[in-house]
Formats: sequence, structure tokens, C-alpha cells
Amino acid sequence: GAVVSQHPSWVICKSGTSVKIECRSLDFQATTMFWYRQFPKQSLMLMATSNEGSKATYEQGVEKDKFLINHASLTLSTLTVTSAHPEDSSFYICSARDLLAGGLLEQYFGPGTRLTVT
Amino acid sequence: GENVEQHPSTLSVQEGDSAVIKCTYSDSASNYFPWYKQELGKRPQLIIDIRSNVGEKKDQRIAVTLNKTAKHFSLHITETQPEDSAVYFCAASTGSGGGADGLTFGKGTHLIIQP
Repeated sequence: GAVVSQHPSWVICKSGTSVKIECRSLDFQATTMFWYRQFPKQSLMLMATSNEGSKATYEQGVEKDKFLINHASLTLSTLTVTSAHPEDSSFYICSARDLLAGGLLEQYFGPGTRLTVT
Repeated sequence: GENVEQHPSTLSVQEGDSAVIKCTYSDSASNYFPWYKQELGKRPQLIIDIRSNVGEKKDQRIAVTLNKTAKHFSLHITETQPEDSAVYFCAASTGSGGGADGLTFGKGTHLIIQP
């Protein structure tokens, strides 16, 4: 149980275009999902917290107009990178916490999406 | 916000020996401290976690200790095996039963197990 999927697993796009990444919790419901970014040989950095039915909360330094987050259901959050530039090339990973987990705080990570902007 | 420092950045140990990775955190409100193992190009895998009301937790060859006063926590791996080679990340967050903040990660430790 507690499986999170992401689609696509990798994507190449041209500079100036937009790309959408989906994060799904397959066998549990998640009111909150998190989006992280990981550059090569670096750590994961929290970008934003995605809340079902409300606006996302962005970390300092993350442009909300560039990284659009939509959490329309308890099992799906999407991250759209708008007007992508080569410096946006990175590994984007989502995580989700089981709504019914009670006191458990474990976050379940998706497999990540490798974005390359040319 | 929270800041998590992790040391060392690279750790090489002989197979069968123990490995220790240390982290410190800055936010006294943090109460959840997971450790992740990540292989190249893969998702982070939770290997053990600890909450602030517990000082130590063990799962077979892996243990985590937490010192709330000093704001540091450590990962201990005993009887290391080649498959333990990976990058390990510590993390911290504030969480409650009703919700959880996102995780603040340390910079990672590349653990190398020498045969």
C-alpha cells in the first residue's frame, strides 16, 4: 500500500514552453502533497505544499506564477512549470501523506520526474 | 525557517564495520526526523524515523538517536553490507496528527562500503 505515482517519468521540452507533471496517490487519500526539486548531486528542496481544494503554499524564493500547483482531488496534484528555461532542468519529486494515517507522519514519495529544458 | 546540517558529506567504511551519520537542526519546534536512502535516479526510501518524544529507535541493523536538547540526531548502521552503499539524507519537519509540514533535508551523505 501507500503508493505514489508521477507522470511523466521524464520529459524534454523547449525553452519557453510549459510542462505539466502529475502526482497521484494510488491507494490512499491525501489532503496534502508536497513538491520537491533536486538538482544533480544535491539534496531535495521543498518547493511548495499542495492543499486539496485551496491555494498552494510556496517556499521562499519559489515563484508561484512560474510553478503552478493544482490539487483538485484527494488523489491528484499537478505541477506546471510555465515558460520553462534551461535552469529549470531538474528532478521534480512529489510526496503525499495518508489522510487516514492518524499519528503517523510518514510521507510517501513518487518516483520523480526528470525535466530537461533545451 | 528550519535548517538541517548533515555530516559527513562522504563516508567510506569497510564491509562489516559500522557507519554513523550526524545531523543537527535549528528549529526547536521540529518533532519528526526521518532518514532516507536514495539510489541514483530513484525516489528517496524511508529507512527509519523518530519522533521527538523518543530518544532512540532501532530496526535490525539500523538505529537512530535523538538529542532534543542539543538538537541533533544520528543514524547508525551496523554490520554494513555492499547494498548499503547509497546517498543518505536526514530530514526534519514539524508535524501533528492533523497535518504535517514539508521536510527540510540535510545535504546528504554518500556512503561507500568497501568490500
